Amino acid sequence: DAMVIQNPRYQVTQFGKPVTLSCSQTLNHNVMYWYQQKSSQAPKLLFHYYDKDFNNEADTPDNFQSRRPNTSFCFLDIRSPGLGDAAMYLCATSRTLALTSYEQYFGPGTRLTVT
Amino acid sequence: GDSVTQMEGPVTLSEEAFLTINCTYTATGYPSLFWYVQYPGEGLQLLLKATKADDKGSNKGFEATYRKETTSFHLEKGSVQVSDSAVYFCALSVGSGAGSYQLTFGKGTKLSVIP
Repeated sequence: DAMVIQNPRYQVTQFGKPVTLSCSQTLNHNVMYWYQQKSSQAPKLLFHYYDKDFNNEADTPDNFQSRRPNTSFCFLDIRSPGLGDAAMYLCATSRTLALTSYEQYFGPGTRLTVT
Repeated sequence: GDSVTQMEGPVTLSEEAFLTINCTYTATGYPSLFWYVQYPGEGLQLLLKATKADDKGSNKGFEATYRKETTSFHLEKGSVQVSDSAVYFCALSVGSGAGSYQLTFGKGTKLSVIP
């Protein structure tokens, strides 16, 4: 089945130690998104790639970076995690063609713990 | 800006009860509307969608109708099951200048169904 895969499902890192979360998709969608979701809250968009074009949300901290080496893969880098960065990180994909939008498909998420 | 307002939870129902989760929105342009469901520890799954006024989305016994006149997209199910216990997010999507279509989420409604 075509899907969005996130690895690892659970990640523990130390305060200030860089960490990378990965996302891959077999849907061949041209848009990929990264969300941060804290407990009992809605997901918050951090940034997205439209093809190779990177689009950062205005309030996303500089501590968060992303890479998309090809259509299938996208990475979230947290350069110096703080305790406040502990959250579920969700990757999503969608297909956008001309002026038509399509629904977003989410991965299972990576639960990040910062010690 | 665009926004989604959904009823506060938590909602607790007995099995086979009728479910309504209210959702209203404000948006510029013509949004697409979605309901996503999130089971504990998982990512978001698309439950149903509607892309234009008077469309009815339906899936797994859940229904919602896109009401432009009342700017609403209420979720309903005639008979809930214990397995429906989850958090439900109403969301809208409109085109962005970056060429992709970003989701604006409501805060989520936690549903618990008891036997």
